[in-house]
This record gives sequence, structure tokens and C-alpha cells, in this order.
Amino acid sequence: QKEVEQDPGPLSVPEGAIVSLNCTYSNSAFQYFMWYRQYSRKGPELLMYTYSSGNKEDGRFTAQVDKSSKYISLFIRDSQPSDSATYLCASLNRDDKIIFGKGTRLHILP
Amino acid sequence: DAGVIQSPRHEVTEMGQEVTLRCKPISGHDYLFWYRQTMMRGLELLIYFNNNVPIDDSGMPEDRFSAKMPNASFSTLKIQPSEPRDSAVYFCASSFTYSLSTYEQYFGPGTRLTVT
Repeated sequence: QKEVEQDPGPLSVPEGAIVSLNCTYSNSAFQYFMWYRQYSRKGPELLMYTYSSGNKEDGRFTAQVDKSSKYISLFIRDSQPSDSATYLCASLNRDDKIIFGKGTRLHILP
Repeated sequence: DAGVIQSPRHEVTEMGQEVTLRCKPISGHDYLFWYRQTMMRGLELLIYFNNNVPIDDSGMPEDRFSAKMPNASFSTLKIQPSEPRDSAVYFCASSFTYSLSTYEQYFGPGTRLTVT
């Protein structure tokens, strides 16, 4: 079982909709969780990070971690065509290495 | 700052040839990472350096892969001999990690390698 898993998509939603992106992780010892955004033919860039459980909000983006179910979520409100990208969830393992999911491709339809 | 710089952006080579990928990290960053991204396996860490010293190379797939960081502003990833299964996008990333709570890596644009 891969340590961090996510549905590859693609996920297509109309502009303005709320987007929900999800990941699961296998190791209950993971404490730090991140979301990276990757535009086509670009390198990933950090969107948000959270520590342990709970929510973190930054503008239209909300990251949520549920440690009891080992579930990581990213919500995007008022989605825009410029949000179309691949979203990678990630966690920091006990060796301080970032373990990435394979990414979910998101298309926001104008 | 110009960000992490990688060269070349695209590389097409024949099986058996030596390939050298180059990276210039962000000035002042003390960590440098090499990743490989494929559709099948996603983004995988190959090796990372701290203050120019290799810390963990457990992700390097085989002895055909080697990486060096001769100084704080330059690193290379070499594949010799290259094989078609090495075709992927190779990313270099750097970070300045002074505490785990701000663990952020800055990625370069990647080198798209095709081995025929």
C-alpha cells in the first residue's frame, strides 16, 4: 500500500463550484500534511500545510485533516478556471522526507 | 530571486548515452532535493543534500544514477548508461528548513527526459 494515496481524476467542475479533493494516508505517525499545486509543465508549488488534525483556511482554500480516519482534504471555494491544475497531497514521514500522492487533475469549466 | 533553475528543460537521448541534468538552487537554501515524476509512480524523491553533503540516496533506483553537489549553488544528476525506463520529468527543489513547521520546498521547472 502506498503511503499517501489519492484519486488521479480528472475531476471536472463548473466555475464557481466548491471543489473537494481528498487523500488517504497509511501511517498514523504522520503529523505534517501539505497540498501542492502543479500547473501543466511546471514544478509543484506549496499551497498549504497543516499540523496534526483540524482545519486551516487561506483565502478560498481550506485544508482539513482527520487523523482518526487518516483522511486529508482540500476544499476550494468559488473555483476559478485558473485553479485548473494537478493537486498533490503530501505528508512528512518520520525520516523528514516528503511523501507525495500521485496527484488529482482538476479542470474548472468556464 | 530567479527561483530554482534547471537545465536543460528537455533532453532526448538514445539508450546507452550519458545524461547530465543540472540544478541551481535558490541562494541561501541549504537543502537540495532531486525528484523524478512519472504517471505510473508519481513524484519520487531520489536523493537530497544538506549543506552540499548527500544525506539520503535511498531513492536512487540503481548504480546508473549518481548525484553531486560540489558547492552551494550547483548540483548535477547523472545517468550512465541511460535506459528507456528512465524517461520521466526530473525536478530539483531547494529549501531553507529552520523548523519543521515551515517545511517548504521550492521546485524548479523540471527537465523532461526522453530516452529512445
